Amino acid sequence: AQSVTQPDIHITVSEGASLELRCNYSYGATPYLFWYVQSPGQGLQLLLKYFSGDTLVQGIKGFEAEFKRSQSSFNLRKPSVHWSDAAEYFCAVGVAGGTSYGKLTFGQGTILTVHP
Amino acid sequence: NAGVTQTPKFQVLKTGQSMTLQCAQDMNHEYMSWYRQDPGMGLRLIHYSVGAGITDQGEVPNGYNVSRSTTEDFPLRLLSAAPSQTSVYFCASSYSAQNYGYTFGSGTRLTVV
Repeated sequence: AQSVTQPDIHITVSEGASLELRCNYSYGATPYLFWYVQSPGQGLQLLLKYFSGDTLVQGIKGFEAEFKRSQSSFNLRKPSVHWSDAAEYFCAVGVAGGTSYGKLTFGQGTILTVHP
Repeated sequence: NAGVTQTPKFQVLKTGQSMTLQCAQDMNHEYMSWYRQDPGMGLRLIHYSVGAGITDQGEVPNGYNVSRSTTEDFPLRLLSAAPSQTSVYFCASSYSAQNYGYTFGSGTRLTVV
């Protein structure tokens, strides 16, 4: 079965600084990979997704992520963080094939705090 | 506005009570699912449906029932609430399972005392 690990429970950065949120997955084949963001009291919003092709994926709100098969990683990056980016971020993996389509396995989440 | 609507937003139940969490979408999505969110555990899949009349279990199905009589609605039933079911519940829908283009509802915060 697939699994996702987000090693950092809480990250604090200053506004304008760069950001990298880590995500490691475990799956025997090429996975579908996702990053979601959740603002307090809200549902989840998709930032970006990787299915195949170019391993550097661009998303909304200036975020990008890079799929590295050799490291089983899919880290999320942003070159300059804004105060409005403060939220909880979830990495998720989906599998391709058969009855497993559609099922997402989520990481534990990383809470991002942005200092002015 | 198009999207996924969950009701109620908040609910307090006593142990042993039953209730239904409602989920409706107006996007003609075939795939619908229920997740629960607990601190430090991310979201875990409870049940899902690939179309009207078809449902299946996810990772944590015990204590929950679902049905899908229409494309639009996917209610989640708690048969006999337990404190371990205190959680935030999210409904999500997608055009298809393979699409993975989920739209999430805003959640139902349930407390079982």
